[in-house]
Amino acid sequence: GAVVSQHPSWVICKSGTSVKIECRSLDFQATTMFWYRQFPKQSLMLMATSNEGSKATYEQGVEKDKFLINHASLTLSTLTVTSAHPEDSSFYICSAPTLAGGPHEQFFGPGTRLTVL
Amino acid sequence: EDQVTQSPEALRLQEGESSSLNCSYTVSGLRGLFWYRQDPGKGPEFLFTLYSAGEEKEKERLKATLTKKESFLHITAPKPEDSATYLCASNFGNEKLTFGTGTRLTIIP
Repeated sequence: GAVVSQHPSWVICKSGTSVKIECRSLDFQATTMFWYRQFPKQSLMLMATSNEGSKATYEQGVEKDKFLINHASLTLSTLTVTSAHPEDSSFYICSAPTLAGGPHEQFFGPGTRLTVL
Repeated sequence: EDQVTQSPEALRLQEGESSSLNCSYTVSGLRGLFWYRQDPGKGPEFLFTLYSAGEEKEKERLKATLTKKESFLHITAPKPEDSATYLCASNFGNEKLTFGTGTRLTIIP
């Protein structure tokens, strides 16, 4: 299967600071990537769709000014959590389909554990 | 609203005891049904894609089937290493996936 990486694997930060998470497709190009968050013992909740060369599309209830997404190239999308607070602590996971236009399987990164103190 | 419902929420089986996990979905134009395995602290691992009723796919001890209203993930003679959370997700025409809440499977040696 296709490989998606994320960096960092885990991060601890102080309340009020910003944190950037990278998502890379290693062996394929992705015009679209997806960002999810997952709370303990819950399923994945889609936050936003990252589109290469254009603005991200956010799901209802997700603050676009707080969760900044940049899809700078066909292999890299970044999620920046701005002015992080303890309630932003979660497991953030990105995914990418190997083929555009759906419905195609998405391959997921290993996730980033964010803890905000 | 498109919904995906999985059952049971949790399942404990003895090693070698076969069983099935269920995923039901709203029937408004399903384009694809996906099964993933997720281990604690890791991202989901792709298992299967099913596109049409009657379709079946197998991988080792796992077999996924699809009807017009639901999908089953059959696990035959499971081993402890099959313990994980199994997630199903549906696609209704765009690239987004709607995930169910998952079934937490524990295989007891």
